Amino acid sequence: NAGVTQTPKFRVLKTGQSMTLLCAQDMNHEYMYWYRQDPGMGLRLIHYSVGEGTTAKGEVPDGYNVSRLKKQNFLLGLESAAPSQTSVYFCASSYSMDSLWNNEQFFGPGTRLTVL
Amino acid sequence: KNEVEQSPQNLTAQEGEFITINCSYSVGISALHWLQQHPGGGIVSLFMLSSGKKKHGRLIATINIQEKHSSLHITASHPRDSAVYICAVGTNTGNQFYFGTGTSLTVIP
Repeated sequence: NAGVTQTPKFRVLKTGQSMTLLCAQDMNHEYMYWYRQDPGMGLRLIHYSVGEGTTAKGEVPDGYNVSRLKKQNFLLGLESAAPSQTSVYFCASSYSMDSLWNNEQFFGPGTRLTVL
Repeated sequence: KNEVEQSPQNLTAQEGEFITINCSYSVGISALHWLQQHPGGGIVSLFMLSSGKKKHGRLIATINIQEKHSSLHITASHPRDSAVYICAVGTNTGNQFYFGTGTSLTVIP
């Protein structure tokens, strides 16, 4: 039981390049989330999903796209990376026993992304 | 604007001390979460609460909905408690999740 895994762990991009971050969970969770963490800003919600085939915007969605084609995977895409997207990205998942925010979240180990 | 404010930002304690971390929020919430971020970066959920009080081992979390305030207490602190403690709230309208900037705790032996 791996929990929540993120791929890759580290990545360096040049401005304008694209990439996809993969989040996978093996706990059969309905809800999944993408966050970014920046010094002095704390964590911020980028996008979330309440089930396969559904996604919704969080607090800072601009510059990112997401897809939830399979229940166990939640992908975060950067179409044209910018230095402002340099951050640590965390994925999380939770059960859906209660409303969206009333469930314990399980976090992945994070992806450290640098955009030059 | 900061929907969630934590205090203090940094805290140093001697082993065995009783520790309190405070969290205030300005939005209507469906739930408040306390998270712990280890020095290596990993994040774990400590508590989720929408009313009252919860206890797990040496950790206690309380929330006062009317005052929009929550506290995290650590009794008999230990060096292994050294971490960043983060408060977060899920809103009851607009489906947003806001985090505080965290309290960095160092417990000295």
